[in-house]
Amino acid sequence: SYVLTQPPSVSVAPGKTARITCGGNNIGSKSVHWYQQKPGQAPVLVIYYDSDRPSGIPERFSGSNSGNTATLTISRVEAGDEADYYCQVWDSSSDHPSWVFGGGTKLTVL
Amino acid sequence: QVQLVQSGAEVKKPGASVKVSCKASGYTFTSYGISWVRQAPGQGLEWMGWISAYNGNTNYAQKLQGRVTMTTDTSTSTAYMELRSLRSDDTAVYYCARTSSSWAPDAFDIWGQGTMVTVSS
Repeated sequence: SYVLTQPPSVSVAPGKTARITCGGNNIGSKSVHWYQQKPGQAPVLVIYYDSDRPSGIPERFSGSNSGNTATLTISRVEAGDEADYYCQVWDSSSDHPSWVFGGGTKLTVL
Repeated sequence: QVQLVQSGAEVKKPGASVKVSCKASGYTFTSYGISWVRQAPGQGLEWMGWISAYNGNTNYAQKLQGRVTMTTDTSTSTAYMELRSLRSDDTAVYYCARTSSSWAPDAFDIWGQGTMVTVSS
């Protein structure tokens, strides 16, 4: 089955840029979605189809996807961005297509 | 507004079954599908399966096949997830999420609030 690899944690100072990676074999050929989850809350979609932003999500959130790595970039990080972030892809390569999530990255705002 | 509202917390004994509901409002239920995702305490997200509210087609995660059944009631815009033969490692928060009505790579754009299921003797 398809495996997505995320760093367990990323730390960034307020006002700086955070980059959260999601590694997978030829992930650039797949569509990647990103979710933000704050403690005790349900996940929220922040980026879909690699780089599109749902309404209501700040422009500070952006995404890219190429080769073996997809990246979620958060510019001008704020304290309220502290959360767990998960990448997701649809794996249609096997005989049993399924959704796959990365293990999640905890973003800490210093 | 568009929302998914799930049923309340459950406590079950090993070997029992649980059925979680997810009531949709604010949109045309049959124009979308519902995926179910669970999250064990302190762990990441695990996709469980998908059902089309349009035609009832389903696709389950391989590890849960045979133990999980997903259904919908279009008259009440409600999706259901039943998990049988519960084990302690099924203890988790269970989420429903809105997605495509066809088996397609659309994102999960609306999520329910989650339902805690505890399996304990």
